Formats: sequence, structure tokens, C-alpha cells
Amino acid sequence: GAVVSQHPSWVICKSGTSVKIECRSLDFQATTMFWYRQFPKQSLMLMATSNEGSKATYEQGVEKDKFLINHASLTLSTLTVTSAHPEDSSFYICSAKRQGIDGYTFGSGTRLTVV
Amino acid sequence: GQNIDQPTEMTATEGAIVQINCTYQTSGFNGLFWYQQHAGEAPTFLSYNVLDGLEEKGRFSSFLSRSKGYSYLLLKELQMKDSASYLCAVLDSNYQLIWGAGTKLIIKP
Repeated sequence: GAVVSQHPSWVICKSGTSVKIECRSLDFQATTMFWYRQFPKQSLMLMATSNEGSKATYEQGVEKDKFLINHASLTLSTLTVTSAHPEDSSFYICSAKRQGIDGYTFGSGTRLTVV
Repeated sequence: GQNIDQPTEMTATEGAIVQINCTYQTSGFNGLFWYQQHAGEAPTFLSYNVLDGLEEKGRFSSFLSRSKGYSYLLLKELQMKDSASYLCAVLDSNYQLIWGAGTKLIIKP
């Protein structure tokens, strides 16, 4: 079945530094990938939709200059959290869409802690 | 606005049956998903309904009524490993996934 690999699984960084999270579709091509953020006991919140070869579409309230998304190939999208602050600490999950209606496959998530 | 409602938390006994309800109000409808999410992990796909009726997959079944904006996930023969959050999500007219807040299911021996 379709597999989406996301890494790192967890990362601790100092406030003010940048962190890059990678999302790869391993056995299919994903023209569209989604980046979500999930705070404890809350639902997934869509941050942005990443389309291969074009600029990402950000949801209202998400700072595009802070959360940089690059989708340079059909199998890789990256999210870079720039100048991270403690309030950016969260669980970040990517999802890739493939053919077929059950085609929203999630990565394993990245637990980011900013200290 | 778009809205997905599901209970925050439910408790059930091992071996029993539990039904998790989801009601939705969205701009358009292109299907409803149920996902299971264990703590600290990403969601995993359980079911997809786009037509009215019941879809059965082993111990899990999902029901949809489009006219009522209502779905439920039915879990039978509950096992301890079924303790997780269950997320309801609707694909709207723009093919955007709208997520519910999830129902935390606690299974007791």
C-alpha cells in the first residue's frame, strides 16, 4: 500500500533556530501534499497545501514566512519552521494524496519541542 | 461556517460494542472519512462513505446519511488496542478535508 515517510519523528531545538521536516511518498507520486499541526487533545489543523512545482497555499492565520514549504519533486515536500519559538511546539503531520478516494495517506508525524 | 461535531470522549468495556457519532455541516459533500489515531501517532485510514448506508469491514462498520448530515462508526468485539481517538472528516465541495476534533475512546477491561 501507499507509504508516506516523515522525519524526523521528534526534534528538540533551541528558540530562534530553524527546523526542517521532510515528507516523502515512497511508492507513489504525490502532486499534492498537506501539512497539519495538532496540539494536544485537539484536531488536525491544516496549515498549508503543497503542490509540486508551485507555491504552497497557506491557510488563514498561518505565516508563510515562518513556515516555509517546498515541494520540489513528486515525492518530497519539506516544511521548515524558521526562528522557532516555544509556542511552535506541536505535532506536525504531513499527508500525501494519491489516486483513489482513500488516498489520503499520513506520515508518522514529527513531535517538535522548542526550548 | 463548516462544522463537524463528535463526542469528546467515550468509555466502553472490552468485548462490547460502541457507536461513535458524527454530525456535519459543510459547504458541499464529497465523502466522509473515519480515521483512528493512537496517542502520539499519525491517523490511519479506517473507512470512507460517499453513499448512504452501512459499510462493513470486519469489526468496524461505518454508516452515512447524507440527508441528515450524520455518520457513525461502529466498533464490535472491542479490544484494548482499540483505545484511541477516532476522527471524523468530511471532504467538502473544494475537496478540502474538514476535520472533527476527534472522539477519545477508552476501553476498560
